[in-house]
Amino acid sequence: DTGVSQDPRHKITKRGQNVTFRCDPISEHNRLYWYRQTLGQGPEFLTYFQNEAQLEKSRLLSDRFSAERPKGSFSTLEIQRTEQGDSAMYLCASSFWGAGYSYEQYFGPGTRLTVT
Amino acid sequence: GENVEQHPSTLSVQEGDSAVIKCTYSDSASNYFPWYKQELGKRPQLIIDIRSNVGEKKDQRIAVTLNKTAKHFSLHITETQPEDSAVYFCAASTDRGGSYIPTFGRGTSLIVHP
Repeated sequence: DTGVSQDPRHKITKRGQNVTFRCDPISEHNRLYWYRQTLGQGPEFLTYFQNEAQLEKSRLLSDRFSAERPKGSFSTLEIQRTEQGDSAMYLCASSFWGAGYSYEQYFGPGTRLTVT
Repeated sequence: GENVEQHPSTLSVQEGDSAVIKCTYSDSASNYFPWYKQELGKRPQLIIDIRSNVGEKKDQRIAVTLNKTAKHFSLHITETQPEDSAVYFCAASTDRGGSYIPTFGRGTSLIVHP
């Protein structure tokens, strides 16, 4: 499968615990995005990277959230001291920016987080 | 920031009928409008998109229209089939120095009855 992959697909954690999610983009894509989706809502932008540089963060991204893309390939999203309100589907997407670029973002299957 | 409103939230049609989903946006600088289809338990997938220099775009049974003056755009699906049943999201985005960050609508659940 050469699409965007995410791991784990499901995560159940207790309030106050830290969790980390991983996203592997399509290999030639230099842009990587993180979104959060709750039931009955569209995806909400959290942050995005171009190569290893984090270029933009949403105001939704509290200090408890941190994202990295250390080598410009896979990315991790960490949530510290999880709260019940963090329960959501976390989606990753990737795209190519450069000569011959397309605006299209390719989404991964998501990581469903449940905080108990 | 951008605000995207999407209607209806649920749309139920008979197989073969047409379906129309409408979205409005607030930022007049928005210039790229994708539509995504998300089947239950699956990832969102782009089905069609339109840029602000075009008023209409068609791809087989799917078409999107854009009215920049009124700041609204619509998805039209003709000859609906049961496999069209899914949640459809519209989005609007603006070029901010090469960044295209879409703002999504809340989604429309389309149900096509055989």
